[in-house]
Formats: sequence, structure tokens, C-alpha cells
Amino acid sequence: GENVEQHPSTLSVQEGDSAVIKCTYSDSASNYFPWYKQELGKRPQLIIDIRSNVGEKKDQRIAVTLNKTAKHFSLHITETQPEDSAVYFCAASISNYGQNFVFGPGTRLSVLP
Amino acid sequence: NAGVMQNPRHLVRRRGQEARLRCSPMKGHSHVYWYRQLPEEGLKFMVYLQKENIIDESGMPKERFSAEFPKEGPSILRIQQVVRGDSAAYFCASSLGGNTEAFFGQGTRLTVV
Repeated sequence: GENVEQHPSTLSVQEGDSAVIKCTYSDSASNYFPWYKQELGKRPQLIIDIRSNVGEKKDQRIAVTLNKTAKHFSLHITETQPEDSAVYFCAASISNYGQNFVFGPGTRLSVLP
Repeated sequence: NAGVMQNPRHLVRRRGQEARLRCSPMKGHSHVYWYRQLPEEGLKFMVYLQKENIIDESGMPKERFSAEFPKEGPSILRIQQVVRGDSAAYFCASSLGGNTEAFFGQGTRLTVV
């Protein structure tokens, strides 16, 4: 089955700097890759997603890149702000029929003022 | 649109009791997914349901756990004869269809004492 790895597990950056989180997946059939942000005690919230027919997608300060050949995708956050502090999860969908994602283990991002 | 609603938010059960977790998907969504999250860990897929059908239960323990999504009413995740190791946050998510964005509920935090 699908296996998703995520690095780093923790990341601290100064406010205004960029943050990059990387994920790899194992199943070449995976074709949908969302990123979720989870603040302490709250629900995971979708922040950006990318499909396998696209190499890059950007939404304001957030961007995601996908390399299908290498089976890895990355989240880039520019001009980080304290409210970006949270746990970020990448995921890969293992079926065309639903979002039974396999999630990465998460990255705890701390943005220091 | 009220979003994905889960109840109860917190549930305490003694070992050996049954736990019933409810999830009402977003209006118009017919796909429901259940995930388990242990403290400081990622989200583990449990089961994917469409109305009245279990599509994928590959992440569900074979014993004591069951899920349903009846024609009318919320999806139910049922855990029989709970044990301490069942203590976790259980999140459900819903989507409009396969391979579309999934939105999470607030989760039910189950504590087994």
C-alpha cells in the first residue's frame, strides 16, 4: 500500500523567513496531494492541494510543487507569520474513488517573532 | 452550510463499554471518511463510506470496530468493548465525490478510563 514520509518533523523559522516541508510517496498511482494545517486541539484544514497533472500551484504565500518522477512533493510558505505556527500534514490519495488518504506523520512548524 | 458536524466532542467510557461517534457530513456530501489520531501523531485512515455502502475499510481493526452511513441520518463509528488503547481523537471528513476536496469535522476525543 501507499506510504508517505514527511520531513522535517519539527521546523523553527524566524518571522518573515520561508519554510519548506517535503514529502515522498511510494504508490505511483496516487494522483491527488493535499496539505492540511492543524492547530492545537482543532480540526485539520485544507490549505492547498495539487493533482498529478500539475507541477506547481500557488496561493498567495503558499505554494506546492510536485515531482511525479521522483514521487515527492513540497510545501513552501513564504514571509512566515506567527499564525502559521501549527502542525502541517501532507497526504496522498490511494484511490481514484475517494479521499482515503494516507497522511504523512506531520511537521510541527514554529514561527518565532 | 454548517460544515462537517461531529458529536460528541468529548466522550469518556470505561473499559468494556461501547462508544458511538456520530458524523453529519456537509450538505450535499455523500462520501464520509473516518480517521484516528493519537496524541502527537498523524492521521490514520480507518474507513471510507458512501451512502449505505462501505467502500474501503482497510484501516479498520477487524474486531470491535464497525461503521455505517445509513440512507437517513449521520454516519456512526461504533467501538465495542473499548480498551485504553482506543483513546484517541477520531475525525471524520466528507467530500462531494471521489477525488474531490475533503473537509474535516472538529473530531471526537475519546478517553477510555
